[in-house]
Amino acid sequence: DQQVKQNSPSLSVQEGRISILNCDYTNSMFDYFLWYKKYPAEGPTFLISISSIKDKNEDGRFTVFLNKSAKHLSLHIVPSQPGDSAVYFCAARRGNKLVFGAGTILRVKS
Amino acid sequence: DAGVIQSPRHEVTEMGQEVTLRCKPISGHDYLFWYRQTMMRGLELLIYFNNNVPIDDSGMPEDRFSAKMPNASFSTLKIQPSEPRDSAVYFCASSLAPGKGTGELFFGEGSRLTVL
Repeated sequence: DQQVKQNSPSLSVQEGRISILNCDYTNSMFDYFLWYKKYPAEGPTFLISISSIKDKNEDGRFTVFLNKSAKHLSLHIVPSQPGDSAVYFCAARRGNKLVFGAGTILRVKS
Repeated sequence: DAGVIQSPRHEVTEMGQEVTLRCKPISGHDYLFWYRQTMMRGLELLIYFNNNVPIDDSGMPEDRFSAKMPNASFSTLKIQPSEPRDSAVYFCASSLAPGKGTGELFFGEGSRLTVL
């Protein structure tokens, strides 16, 4: 059972525009949500997170929105840059375990 | 700090052979996680340890898979016998306190396994 779903395998965006990556989850017991970024031949690295008691967290060009009633979160990148091209994983935490989605490949075209 | 170190980076083997993947976590991190990345399922948690003790191995796919952590600075993931469907990238990650705050996991660069 896939508790965390990223339904868009890939996304292509023009440099300077907004990138929106989406994630849905099924388990209401998750208490924290995170986004990880992964470049080829490297391990995933932490990008930004949000507690389940909040609906928005912002860090520079990156903002994560959480809609608990819809069990949906999104990552906004504004403005998008070519260096943002990577795989983005959504993750949800329960206890000490992180459950990851399948990832979305973001390509930012210059 | 050197970060999480995994070896080998690449492994090509034939079906039926034993495969051993190795991981050195960040010093001082009490938690160690083994994940597997495939195109279809993304990052799947296989097993995690706390203070060298396996806590949850519910993600280990079959008895062919086993993991050990003999001390705080070393862990292995073994597949015996290996099968083509085990081909994937295997990641090791460590954390100081995964259940607190952001609970950030620090990942190694991964071991790409190809079973022919």
